[in-house]
Amino acid sequence: KAGVTQTPRYLIKTRGQQVTLSCSPISGHRSVSWYQQTPGQGLQFLFEYFSETQRNKGNFPGRFSGRQFSNSRSEMNVSTLELGDSALYLCASSLARGTGLTEAFFGQGTRLTVV
Amino acid sequence: LAKTTQPISMDSYEGQEVNITCSHNNIATNDYITWYQQFPSQGPRFIIQGYKTKVTNEVASLFIPADRKSSTLSLPRVSLSDTAVYYCLVGDGYSGGGADGLTFGKGTHLIIQP
Repeated sequence: KAGVTQTPRYLIKTRGQQVTLSCSPISGHRSVSWYQQTPGQGLQFLFEYFSETQRNKGNFPGRFSGRQFSNSRSEMNVSTLELGDSALYLCASSLARGTGLTEAFFGQGTRLTVV
Repeated sequence: LAKTTQPISMDSYEGQEVNITCSHNNIATNDYITWYQQFPSQGPRFIIQGYKTKVTNEVASLFIPADRKSSTLSLPRVSLSDTAVYYCLVGDGYSGGGADGLTFGKGTHLIIQP
């Protein structure tokens, strides 16, 4: 079956602009989480969506937002981009929440460069 | 979430068995132990998950002692393609891992040499 698809794979933006990243989870998966990965901070949790509702949020400013659609696809938006937002943004999908053995499947990520 | 401690890096050779140990002294009763593998510029990939004793799948084994304060990921007969960063995660199995999501530490950079 198809894996988690993230688009675009690469993106270059200018400071102050905004950007929208897309994630299509594995068919049937209802939970989508977003992570930011940088060399200095490693992998950090941004937020999680389940059934179109944000369930958890990491410690990121309000410039980072997201949403989930009825087909479980998710988008992440970053407004007023800063140089420090340059990172690999990863999306992960899971079948459900709250099950004891929940495996998260990650996409290949979107490499965002802010100049 | 329980904090995890793993070696920053490890070296080994092709064909050897590699064991990576993770310490998680504050593991909670409901927590599972999960290992992920990540190659550069790719998303992490689930390797194995367990709660206690031993778990084995087609790529690895996970050993968890009775007190569950540590765990060891065992990779049999490694190859060059096993060079990657390996993350040990401890949590309650929720896809979001609770309020903090899946908490990835610094991981162990495993380098396999010919």
